[in-house]
Amino acid sequence: GAVVSQHPSRVICKSGTSVKIECRSLDFQATTMFWYRQFPKQSLMLMATSNEGSKATYEQGVEKDKFLINHASLTLSTLTVTSAHPEDSSFYICSAPLGTSGGAQQFFGPGTRLTVL
Amino acid sequence: QQQVKQSPQSLIVQKGGISIINCAYENTAFDYFPWYQQFPGKGPALLIAIRPDVSEKKEGRFTISFNKSAKQFSLHIMDSQPGDSATYFCAASAFTGGFKTIFGAGTRLFVKA
Repeated sequence: GAVVSQHPSRVICKSGTSVKIECRSLDFQATTMFWYRQFPKQSLMLMATSNEGSKATYEQGVEKDKFLINHASLTLSTLTVTSAHPEDSSFYICSAPLGTSGGAQQFFGPGTRLTVL
Repeated sequence: QQQVKQSPQSLIVQKGGISIINCAYENTAFDYFPWYQQFPGKGPALLIAIRPDVSEKKEGRFTISFNKSAKQFSLHIMDSQPGDSATYFCAASAFTGGFKTIFGAGTRLFVKA
């Protein structure tokens, strides 16, 4: 199956700093990637859709200026958590769909554990 | 209309038993129904998926049953093993107006040895 990687896998930072998370599709091109947030023992919450060549689409309630998304190429999307605070601590997961019609599969990255002190 | 309701929230099954997880959706625009398995600290991994033109799909010990008229689908894990202990998410996807996937709340499965 297709492979999606994320880097870093774990990051600890001080409150007020910015953190960048990379999501790469290793063996396929992805014009669209998705960023999810997952709290302990909860489901995945879609934060935004990253679109190559255009602005990201954010879900309701997600601050655009807080979570900056850049889809730099057909294989790379980045999520930057700006001025991170302890409440931003979470598990962030990206995914990329393979296929463009019904039945398109989503392949998930391994996730990034962010801890803001 | 965008919700996918999943039950039970948690499930304990004896080794060798059958694990059954149920999901229901409302939006008939969904045309792809995957199940994901997630281990602690890892991203979800696709387990098995079905399209609405099929009523059942089996892959090894995993079977999806799909009832289009009732808008329900379920995952059956036969001969459950301790290694199956994980969180399972059902999902529903649609490609109308852009690709969208809605996840169920998840079921934490524990298989007792």
